[in-house]
Amino acid sequence: ETGVTQSPTHLIKTRGQQVTLRCSSQSGHNTVSWYQQALGQGPQFIFQYYREEENGRGNFPPRFSGLQFPNYSSELNVNALELDDSALYLCASSIDRGYNSPLHFGNGTRLTVT
Amino acid sequence: QQQVKQSPQSLIVQKGGISIINCAYENTAFDYFPWYQQFPGKGPALLIAIRPDVSEKKEGRFTISFNKSAKQFSLHIMDSQPGDSATYFCAARGGGGYNKLIFGAGTRLAVHP
Repeated sequence: ETGVTQSPTHLIKTRGQQVTLRCSSQSGHNTVSWYQQALGQGPQFIFQYYREEENGRGNFPPRFSGLQFPNYSSELNVNALELDDSALYLCASSIDRGYNSPLHFGNGTRLTVT
Repeated sequence: QQQVKQSPQSLIVQKGGISIINCAYENTAFDYFPWYQQFPGKGPALLIAIRPDVSEKKEGRFTISFNKSAKQFSLHIMDSQPGDSATYFCAARGGGGYNKLIFGAGTRLAVHP
């Protein structure tokens, strides 16, 4: 069973640029969530995708957007990067969007904005 | 109301000792409380989880104690080992029909041999 994989592992961008992060969900999982983890902090929920539609969003501005594809893989896009966007971005998949579906996290993409 | 407060921020325990990490919440709509373990350079991994209708859950050396009236829950690691040295996060599921977790700020545990 393949776990959640994310790419790239590290990325350096300049303020104002745009970035796309990618995630392949665990086999059999149809729901993907994205979290932002600032240094020394707990992960913060960005949004969740279920069957290619966003069905939940945290307190993040619209410049954070996402996609889910028919194979349940996902992308996180961030426009107009700011210095505070520097963080570890975690993708998590679950077998469903409901309450009985534990989240399985990937190892993240470390984004540095200079 | 959406916060989960975790303490202590860091913890040093001798090998074989008991590690205790505490969390508190306000929102009574939270319905699921997992603990995650995170090693440097890795994503969080689910350790153990509990629902609010249960007061204690044990899996191997890891135990969650849950006090619904006090809105507190804790992780106990028995016979702590150097390999347990990691950052631990408590979390609560926020409801709303989707699987959103609200995490505490984390506890960095160091187990000394």
